[in-house]
Amino acid sequence: DIQLTQSPSFLSASVGDRVTITCRASQGISSYLAWYQQKPGKAPKLLIYAASTLQSGVPSRFSGSGSGTEFTLTISSLQPEDFATYYCQQLNSYPRVTFGPGTKVDIK
Amino acid sequence: EVQLVESGGGLVKPGGSLRLSCAASGFTFSSYSMNWVRQAPGKGLEWVSSISSSSSYIYYADSVKGRFTISRDNAKNSLYLQMNSLRAEDTAVYYCAAMAFRGFDPWGQGTLVTVSS
Repeated sequence: DIQLTQSPSFLSASVGDRVTITCRASQGISSYLAWYQQKPGKAPKLLIYAASTLQSGVPSRFSGSGSGTEFTLTISSLQPEDFATYYCQQLNSYPRVTFGPGTKVDIK
Repeated sequence: EVQLVESGGGLVKPGGSLRLSCAASGFTFSSYSMNWVRQAPGKGLEWVSSISSSSSYIYYADSVKGRFTISRDNAKNSLYLQMNSLRAEDTAVYYCAAMAFRGFDPWGQGTLVTVSS
């Protein structure tokens, strides 16, 4: 199975900050990586797919990059509605996908 | 509006059974592979099962293989998960999700399954 790790697990940031979350895969997954945002009590929401393609309707302050085993999600200017938990997901071995453990972004 | 709505969750005793349903609307359900993903309380996301658009291909996570059965009825725009021999560790919110181009979208709102005596 392909394992994903995320760093950091938790980050405290202020509105307007630039935030970067890293996702690493245990083996190469090309660009088969997606990012999700989840708020408490809600379903995950797809933000980015194919490592760097913004899902329709997602604000342009979100961006993704990377390929192979290392990927990043960047929020260029953190907004109040962005405080949430973020998960990466590998789809290289679809349907046997795996998710990262999550990164919680909290208010400083 | 594109929507998935799960139902069928609840409290069940260990060893019991439950059938989850997921009703789709606003998109061509029969064209999409569908998935079940679960999230234990306070934990991360775990893929459970997938079914191809025509039900030709079905896959399960090792943790549920032999106990859970995924199915779909394209005429009714519905996805199902039959869960047997339930264990305490199956307690979670269960989400259905469509496999879009290269990600899961949309997702349902989730249904809570609690396995406890």
